[in-house]
Amino acid sequence: GENVEQHPSTLSVQEGDSAVIKCTYSDSASNYFPWYKQELGKGPQLIIDIRSNVGEKKDQRIAVTLNKTAKHFSLHITETQPEDSAVYFCAASKRNAGNMLTFGGGTRLMVKP
Amino acid sequence: EPEVTQTPSHQVTQMGQEVILRCVPISNHLYFYWYRQILGQKVEFLVSFYNNEISEKSEIFDDQFSVERPDGSNFTLKIRSTKLEDSAMYFCASRPNTGELFFGEGSRLTVL
Repeated sequence: GENVEQHPSTLSVQEGDSAVIKCTYSDSASNYFPWYKQELGKGPQLIIDIRSNVGEKKDQRIAVTLNKTAKHFSLHITETQPEDSAVYFCAASKRNAGNMLTFGGGTRLMVKP
Repeated sequence: EPEVTQTPSHQVTQMGQEVILRCVPISNHLYFYWYRQILGQKVEFLVSFYNNEISEKSEIFDDQFSVERPDGSNFTLKIRSTKLEDSAMYFCASRPNTGELFFGEGSRLTVL
C-alpha cells in the first residue's frame, strides 16, 4: 500500500521567515495530495491541496509543489506568523476527493515572534 | 460555518468494555469516515461509508469495529470489546459528492 514520509518532524522558524515541509510517497498511482493544519485540541483542517495534473499551486502565503517523477511534494509557507504554529500533515490518495488518505507523520511548526 | 461534531470529547473505559463514539457529519455531505491517531503516531484511515454501507476499510478495522448511520444525522463507531491498544484520538470526517474532507475535533479514547 501507499507509504508517506514527512520531514522534518519539528521545525522552528523566526517570524517572517519561510518554512518548507517535504513529503515523499511510494505509490505512483496516487493523484491527490492535500495538506492539513492541526491546532491543539482540534481536528485536521485542509489548507491546500494539489492534484497530479499540476506541478504547483499557490494560495496567498501558502504554496505546494509536486514532482511526480520523484514522487515528492512540498509545502511552502512564506512570511510566517505566530498563528501559523501548528502541526502540519501531508497526505496522499488515489482518488481526487481524498478518499482513504494516507498521512505523513506530521511536522510541528513553531514560529517564534 | 457548518462543522462535523463529535461526542464525547474524551471517554475513559475499562478494557473489554464496549464503546460508541458519535459523530454528526455536515448535513449535505454524502461520504463519512473514521480515522484514528494513536498518540505520537500518524493519522490512520479506518473506514469509509457511503449510501448506507461501508465502501472501504483498512486492516485496522477488524471484527471488533462497526459503523452505523442509525438516522439521518448521526454516524457512529462502535468498538465491541476495547483493548489497551485502542487508546487513541478518533476523528470523524465527511465530505460532499466532490470537494474537501472536513474533520471533526476528535474523540479521545483512553482504555485502562
